[in-house]
Parts: sequence; structure tokens; C-alpha cells
Amino acid sequence: VLTQSPESLAVSLGERATINCKSSQSILYSSNNKNYLAWYQQKPGQPPKLLIYWASTRESGVPDRFSGSGSGTDFTLTISSLQAEDVAVYYCQQCFGTPTFGQGTRLEIK
Amino acid sequence: DVHLVESGGALVQPGGSLRLSCAASGFTFNTFDMNWLRQAPGKGLEWVSYISSSSSPIYYADSVKGRFTISRDNAKNSLSLQMNNLRVEDTAMYYCARDICTGSSCYYDYWGQGTLVTVSS
Repeated sequence: VLTQSPESLAVSLGERATINCKSSQSILYSSNNKNYLAWYQQKPGQPPKLLIYWASTRESGVPDRFSGSGSGTDFTLTISSLQAEDVAVYYCQQCFGTPTFGQGTRLEIK
Repeated sequence: DVHLVESGGALVQPGGSLRLSCAASGFTFNTFDMNWLRQAPGKGLEWVSYISSSSSPIYYADSVKGRFTISRDNAKNSLSLQMNNLRVEDTAMYYCARDICTGSSCYYDYWGQGTLVTVSS
């Protein structure tokens, strides 16, 4: 089970936004030392967009203000300087076993 | 450009059947594993099914196992989801999505816009 916190977040433009994702079990695969975790951004009326995979690898074309960190059971998505276009719902997802998603975090402008 | 276009969504009664399709273009379809995912109205994301590039292996979420069947036609660059014995809780936007890994479902780098399935009497 993936549990995201907070459920919603309001951050001022230009400020840092941090979203957490906690797994009920480790999703670090020891044989390849990879964490099986991704982050997605979903804007209203659109499908999700892949931002980060393997916990910290940025997808091609994703701005470098987005970064992922963490290992084992605790992970973080950080937006270093919030832009207006970052307003969205963010989901973490694990694929260590059957793929599952966190419940989502709604990010708004303060 | 990669494009995934779903079709086939509709209003169907509980116990009914529906077949969803996903037309793929802009990439070499027969070299990528594919998935179906869904999102109930106002809710989060749920992975539904996975099919490898060669159609084996195939995996399903427990919630749809025995009722849904995923398939693909590499000659036609198409992905399908046959849904039988539909339940009210299957109501959702259904997305097809390309997998960046091979051999198992992992991350989804391209998604279609989705097709809406509503199960209601």
C-alpha cells in the first residue's frame, strides 16, 4: 500500500513543494539496487504524465525543477520553484509487485 | 509522435459486456509492452491489465481477473480489452498506456486520452 501525504497542499509561486509517499513494504530490489517507484502529474481532463521513475530518474522533457528522492519505503517528490502550470494532482506508483498507486496529492497555488 | 487512441466506451447494464480498443501510432508497437489502467470518476488510478509485446505473459488485477481479457494485434498496431460480466464498480475512464519496461508492468510513459465506461441500470 502506498500512502501519500499531504492529501492537499497549497504553495506560493516560486516556493518549494514537497510531496511524500510511504510504502507499506520496501520497494527496493536488492539485486539491481533499484527502487520501483514513479511519480505522475495529472491535470484536470488529462491523462497522467510520467515525471519520475526508478524513484529519481527524470523522464525526458520534464523540467529539472521536479526531482525525486528516497529509498526503501519513504519517497519524496520535490518541485523546487512552483510554477502556475504545476497545479495538478500528483500520484506515486510502485511496480515492485502488482502495480499500485497512492491516493493522490492535490497541489494548488497559495 | 506517439499517439494512443482509445474507443469503445459506452453505457452498459450490469452483467453486460464491452470491448475497448486502443489504436497505436508513432512508434514500433510490436516492441513495447502495453497496459490498461482506469480511473473511477473523481477517484485515483488503478492498473487493470498488462500484455507483453509478444502477448505472453499477461497479467490482471484481482478485481478484473476472470472477467476481462487483454489482447493485441501487432499487425494492426492495436490493443484490446474484452470486458464481461461488468459491475457498477467497473465504471471508470479506461486508459491504454505504453510501458517503458519489458517483461512486467512498471512505468507508463504514454497514455491515451481515455474512453469512458459507465455500468448502470
